[in-house]
Amino acid sequence: AQSVTQLDSHVSVSEGTPVLLRCNYSSSYSPSLFWYVQHPNKGLQLLLKYTSAATLVKGINGFEAEFKKSETSFHLTKPSAHMSDAAEYFCVVSPGNAGNMLTFGGGTRLMVKP
Amino acid sequence: DAGVTQSPTHLIKTRGQHVTLRCSPISGHKSVSWYQQVLGQGPQFIFQYYEKEERGRGNFPDRFSARQFPNYSSELNVNALLLGDSALYLCASSLVLGGRSYNEQFFGPGTRLTVL
Repeated sequence: AQSVTQLDSHVSVSEGTPVLLRCNYSSSYSPSLFWYVQHPNKGLQLLLKYTSAATLVKGINGFEAEFKKSETSFHLTKPSAHMSDAAEYFCVVSPGNAGNMLTFGGGTRLMVKP
Repeated sequence: DAGVTQSPTHLIKTRGQHVTLRCSPISGHKSVSWYQQVLGQGPQFIFQYYEKEERGRGNFPDRFSARQFPNYSSELNVNALLLGDSALYLCASSLVLGGRSYNEQFFGPGTRLTVL
């Protein structure tokens, strides 16, 4: 069994300040972990993925995430927010390196103030 | 290269009707998965297909069914529609290597289904 908890449903930051979106997971297997972003009326876009290689994962648009097994966390960060980062972000877990099912968290809506 | 495509983009149905949603995967991707995203929630897994066989099923009633065609495109069918079936239906494709699908999935824009 696997599950994902995104600890904040909404996060608001000012443009140019750091972003932190928190995610905790539970998995019976060595998991693969992902962050996806969904802009309004758009499909889901993969930001980054962890698949048991380096624990610090760099993604697109300056985002990165760190896999911490001891804390079962996979928090998403960005040093400096941009207005275009405003969107819904989903933390996702999947068993192992292959498999058929992605389990999504409930999402975090990121708002960026000018 | 084209990404995952879905049709139609929007659909309005009434309770009790039947609906068919269509998905074409990225060229070279042989696995297709379907997800339901109710407003304000994260997507939920419905089905995965590859090599024309069902490889996984989420916790959805038998009113939901799907199939995959020889060209790897897929259809999702929902019978006896309920108000609660109103949602964004997302299709995702992924590679299949060595008989196993990779869990990095690429999503289409979705079909917005409204049931009145």
